[in-house]
Amino acid sequence: DIQMTQSPSSVSASVGDRVTISCRASQGIASWLAWYQQKPGKAPKLLIYAASSLQSGVPSRFSGSGSGTDFTLTISSLQPEDSATYYCQQASSFPRTFGQGTKLEIK
Amino acid sequence: EVQLLESGGGLVQPGGSLRLSCAASGFTFTNYAMSWVRQAPGKGLEWVSSLTGSGDNTYYADSVKGRFTISRDTSVNTLYLQMNSLRAEDTAVYYCAKDLYSSSTNWFDPWGQGTLVTVSS
Repeated sequence: DIQMTQSPSSVSASVGDRVTISCRASQGIASWLAWYQQKPGKAPKLLIYAASSLQSGVPSRFSGSGSGTDFTLTISSLQPEDSATYYCQQASSFPRTFGQGTKLEIK
Repeated sequence: EVQLLESGGGLVQPGGSLRLSCAASGFTFTNYAMSWVRQAPGKGLEWVSSLTGSGDNTYYADSVKGRFTISRDTSVNTLYLQMNSLRAEDTAVYYCAKDLYSSSTNWFDPWGQGTLVTVSS
């Protein structure tokens, strides 16, 4: 199975800050990576797929990059509504696996 | 608008069975893979099972293989998860999710609201 490791586990930042979250795969997955946002008590929401494709309706301040084993989710200018937990997920092979999550808090 | 509505969750004793349903609308059900993903209380996301759009292929996490069965009824556009031999560690909110694109099993979008399964005596 492919293990997905996110860092950091939690981050605190101010409105307007640039925030980056990293995700590392235990083996190469090309661009088969997605990012999801989950707010408390809600279902996850797809933000980015194929490592860098922005899902329709997602604000352009979200972007994804990387390929192979190392990936990054960037929020260019943090907004209050971005407070959430973020997960990466690989789609290179079954079983599909998620990172452990990164909790983003607004200062 | 795509809508996914899960039901069937509840309290069940260890060793018991439960069948979850996910009623789908707003898209051509037979064109898209569907999946179940679960989240134990206070924990992260765990993929459980997927069924391809053709209905020909199923995939399972090792943790549920041999105990859970994914299926669908295309006449009522409903996805199912039959869960047998339930264990305490199966306690979670179970989400169904549609694949973003037809003919793929890669990206989960959108997700239903989830249904809580509690396995306890």
